[in-house]
Parts: sequence; C-alpha cells; structure tokens
Amino acid sequence: DQQVKQNSPSLSVQEGRISILNCDYTNSMFDYFLWYKKYPAEGPTFLISISSIKDKNEDGRFTVFLNKSAKHLSLHIVPSQPGDSAVYFCAAYAGGTSYGKLTFGQGTILTVHP
Amino acid sequence: GAVVSQHPSWVICKSGTSVKIECRSLDFQATTMFWYRQFPKQSLMLMATSNEGSKATYEQGVEKDKFLINHASLTLSTLTVTSAHPEDSSFYICSARVKGSYNSPLHFGNGTRLTVT
Repeated sequence: DQQVKQNSPSLSVQEGRISILNCDYTNSMFDYFLWYKKYPAEGPTFLISISSIKDKNEDGRFTVFLNKSAKHLSLHIVPSQPGDSAVYFCAAYAGGTSYGKLTFGQGTILTVHP
Repeated sequence: GAVVSQHPSWVICKSGTSVKIECRSLDFQATTMFWYRQFPKQSLMLMATSNEGSKATYEQGVEKDKFLINHASLTLSTLTVTSAHPEDSSFYICSARVKGSYNSPLHFGNGTRLTVT
C-alpha cells in the first residue's frame, strides 16, 4: 500500500519558470511532511518541510503548500534553475510509535531546460 | 553541520560473502538511525530503525538475520548484509536525526551501491 504517492514520474520546465511538484498521501496520521532532492548515486538532501498545523512554508525559491483536507502537498520552485534538475521525493511521518520513520513517495524527475 | 558519512560508497562482492556498511554522524549525536534501500527507479524503502544500545526494529518483510544492524554508539551504526546474493544488489542509504530533536529533518548519507556477483 503506497501511503505517499507522487503520480508524475517526470516534469520538464523551462529555466525561469515555476516548477510544481505534487504529492498525495493516504495516512491521516502523518503530521510532518518533507521534500528531498536526490542526485543519482547520492543520498537525499533535505529541502523544506511543513508541519500539519501549517498550510504553507517558504524558504527562498522553495515553497511547500499543504492541503490537509485533500491530503495533498506541493512543492513550488520559483524561478527554476538548471541546477534544480534532480529527483524530488516527497516524504512524511507520523508521531508516536512511528516517530522518525519516513515514508517516501516514488519520486519525480525534474528537468529544467536552459 | 549535521553531516552523515556512509562508507563504502560502492562495493562489489561475490555471492555468499558478507558486506558491512558503516554510517556515521560526524558532527552530531544520533540516538536513532534509519536504514533505507532503493531499487532502480523506485522509492526509498525503510528497512530498519537502529537504536543506540538496543536491538534494531525491522520493517515487515526484511530478514533480520540477513541484514544485521548494530548501533554501538551515538555516532555509528553498521549494516551487515550476510551471505549476500545477487538479489541483494541495491542502493543502501542510512539516515540520522540529531539527538533530542523531533521535527528536525533526517540527514542522509550518500549511500552505498552494493553489487553482488
């Protein structure tokens, strides 16, 4: 059962435009969400996170939006740069006994064209 | 800060041998470390949670006798793939969270590419 889903395997964007990566989840116990960026043969690098008590978190070019009622979150990158090209993973975890155990989506390959 | 070092970055071994992968938190203490596995074009799957000074907790379907985890100190966890077979070939990644922090993100090592021939 895929509790975190990224339905778009890939996304292609022109440099300078906005990149929007989407993520859906099914587990209502998730209370913390994160986005990671990953290059081939490397570990994921943390980008930005959001707690379930918020609906938006912004850090520079990166903004994460959370819609709890729809169980949906998105990552906006503005403006997109060629260096942003990578695989982006959405991840989530719940507190309590699941503390710290991240559940990842399948990832979305972002390609930003110059 | 919050650097996680994983070693080796790649290893090739023969079927039937064992391989040890180390995960170190270089500039922080990690009570808990996590081991993930990633198959090509797939997501990262949690294998086990490693707790300092106690037994690891394995996810369903992960053989604890095959994937031995030791977390002997607050900065080191090891994963040993015993009697490796070609189907164990994968990308293994460890992660850690700063001790005492709840909502801080996990920091990941750079992963280990294991190829079993």
